[in-house]
Amino acid sequence: SQQGEEDPQALSIQEGENATMNCSYKTSINNLQWYRQNSGRGLVHLILIRSNEREKHSGRLRVTLDTSKKSSSLLITASRAADTASYFCATDNLYIPTFGRGTSLIVHP
Amino acid sequence: GAVVSQHPSWVICKSGTSVKIECRSLDFQATTMFWYRQFPKKSLMLMATSNEGSKATYEQGVEKDKFLINHASLTLSTLTVTSAHPEDSSFYICSATGLAVEETQYFGPGTRLLVL
Repeated sequence: SQQGEEDPQALSIQEGENATMNCSYKTSINNLQWYRQNSGRGLVHLILIRSNEREKHSGRLRVTLDTSKKSSSLLITASRAADTASYFCATDNLYIPTFGRGTSLIVHP
Repeated sequence: GAVVSQHPSWVICKSGTSVKIECRSLDFQATTMFWYRQFPKKSLMLMATSNEGSKATYEQGVEKDKFLINHASLTLSTLTVTSAHPEDSSFYICSATGLAVEETQYFGPGTRLLVL
């Protein structure tokens, strides 16, 4: 069963703008991870945030986690056309990640 | 980061044939490998969890006789789609994790299967 649910399902922005994607989940987690998938390709791990962390940064990425609301957000700042991809959150249960449906991000040059 | 490869990347086969997909961890020992299936514009569906040296654990609704998984070594897992049918056409992705990378899944590039 799917644990994480991303929102919105699709996002279209201009290059240079920020993109924010949200993920909600249902049960308690050990950690939450965000992945990126280019069309027809495998997944690339972006960032992991543990249940006792509230915010984490990696380059242009900022991830927040609110365990009380069972939600996480991924912010991509100063987006680039190359950021066009699908983004998935995955929550873990005994190290087995369960994926949401993903947010399809299109960044127009 | 750690590297996971899959082979082949593309396969087209006739209905009724069997197809084997390999997943290799190139620079770490993968005690656990996962196999996912992804339909177009959909999320990943976990098919099975494979631990080295033991039988794979299949998710509900996944036919173990249809999708044979072997994890014979710490760097190799194989998924064999037996007697493939057009509805088996999909994108199959493996991931691997191990002691050195325990909290992170490293994904292969995926294998696109088309059954005619």
